[in-house]
Amino acid sequence: GNSVTQMEGPVTLSEEAFLTINCTYTATGYPSLFWYVQYPGEGLQLLLKATKADDKGSNKGFEATYRKETTSFHLEKGSVQVSDSAVYFCALSNAGGTSYGKLTFGQGTILTVHP
Amino acid sequence: GAGVSQSPRYKVAKRGQDVALRCDPISGHVSLFWYQQALGQGPEFLTYFQNEAQLDKSGLPSDRFFAERPEGSVSTLKIQRTQQEDSAVYLCASSLLAGSETQYFGPGTRLLVL
Repeated sequence: GNSVTQMEGPVTLSEEAFLTINCTYTATGYPSLFWYVQYPGEGLQLLLKATKADDKGSNKGFEATYRKETTSFHLEKGSVQVSDSAVYFCALSNAGGTSYGKLTFGQGTILTVHP
Repeated sequence: GAGVSQSPRYKVAKRGQDVALRCDPISGHVSLFWYQQALGQGPEFLTYFQNEAQLDKSGLPSDRFFAERPEGSVSTLKIQRTQQEDSAVYLCASSLLAGSETQYFGPGTRLLVL
């Protein structure tokens, strides 16, 4: 079955530091890959996605590249801000067949950015 | 509405009580998902509706869990005879089309069973 493994947190950084959160996956077929973010007191929001190998998803300065050869989708940002403090979830889905696009999530990584 | 809404936001139940959690998806969205998020974990799939049809209930943990979407819009997740292990945040998400890749999540209902 499908599974997603994220680097364990929490991750604590100073403002303007470089961020990497590792994500690897196991899946059948050719899944789509996602990063969701959960800010304190808010619901899950889609941050970025990639639907096929070598695609790069990007949003709000965050990037992740779909690497089929290493089954990875690592999240990066060149310069984090205090406002990026949140929980980040890597996820995958198989849109076709009887999967109906249901998401399989990693366990989440807590990011705290200090001024 | 502007987004997915869920009610109540918080629910405290005594063990053995029945609870009902409501989800209002974005108007016109065909697909509706329920997920369960235990403390410190990622969400886990419970069940999926396409309009009023429940096409996948493989993630429901026991027969105490029941979900419905009778008119293809609002959905209710019901938990009978709640147990302490049911304590979690229950998330609802909707998407425009069947198999659509972008799901929009509600704020969740935090259930605490004492």
